[in-house]
Amino acid sequence: GAVVSQHPSWVICKSGTSVKIECRSLDFQATTMFWYRQFPKQSLMLMATSNEGSKATYEQGVEKDKFLINHASLTLSTLTVTSAHPEDSSFYICSAPDRYEQYFGPGTRLTVT
Amino acid sequence: AQSVTQLGSHVSVSEGALVLLRCNYSSSVPPYLFWYVQYPNQGLQLLLKYTTGATLVKGINGFEAEFKKSETSFHLTKPSAHMSDAAEYFCAVSDGGGADGLTFGKGTHLIIQP
Repeated sequence: GAVVSQHPSWVICKSGTSVKIECRSLDFQATTMFWYRQFPKQSLMLMATSNEGSKATYEQGVEKDKFLINHASLTLSTLTVTSAHPEDSSFYICSAPDRYEQYFGPGTRLTVT
Repeated sequence: AQSVTQLGSHVSVSEGALVLLRCNYSSSVPPYLFWYVQYPNQGLQLLLKYTTGATLVKGINGFEAEFKKSETSFHLTKPSAHMSDAAEYFCAVSDGGGADGLTFGKGTHLIIQP
């Protein structure tokens, strides 16, 4: 089956700094990728849809200037958390569709101190 | 707008007993329905999905789910629970199959009692 990877798997950063998370489709091309956020013991919430070669589409309530998404190629989307604060600490998961199925990355645990 | 309701944030069953995790959805169009499992600090693994056709869907690890349009339900079952089934389970819906982002339920934590 299709594989999606994320890097890094976990990251700790200081408040006020920026962090970039990569999402890659390893064996298929993805014109669209999705970014989700999961707080501890909660469900996944769709943050944004990443579109190759065009602007991302953000869900209501998600700050696009804080969560910068770039989808520069058919296999790579990046999420940059700018000026991170402790409340941004979360588990970030990306996914990419292949036919009728979504393939999820293993997630990135972000801790902001 | 779509929504997913998972009844019961925690479900506890004995090893060897039937597992039943409930999921109800709302969707304005014929839905695509999914069940995912998540182990601690890991991503999501697809258990099974319903797109079209047969309403009883069989997945991995002995799980199956039945799509009941009249009840707007997609409950997950397994005849005999195993200790390794202990995990978080998410039901999800999509209007556009794989082309759209998924709307997830809040999840059900499955506890297996020895």
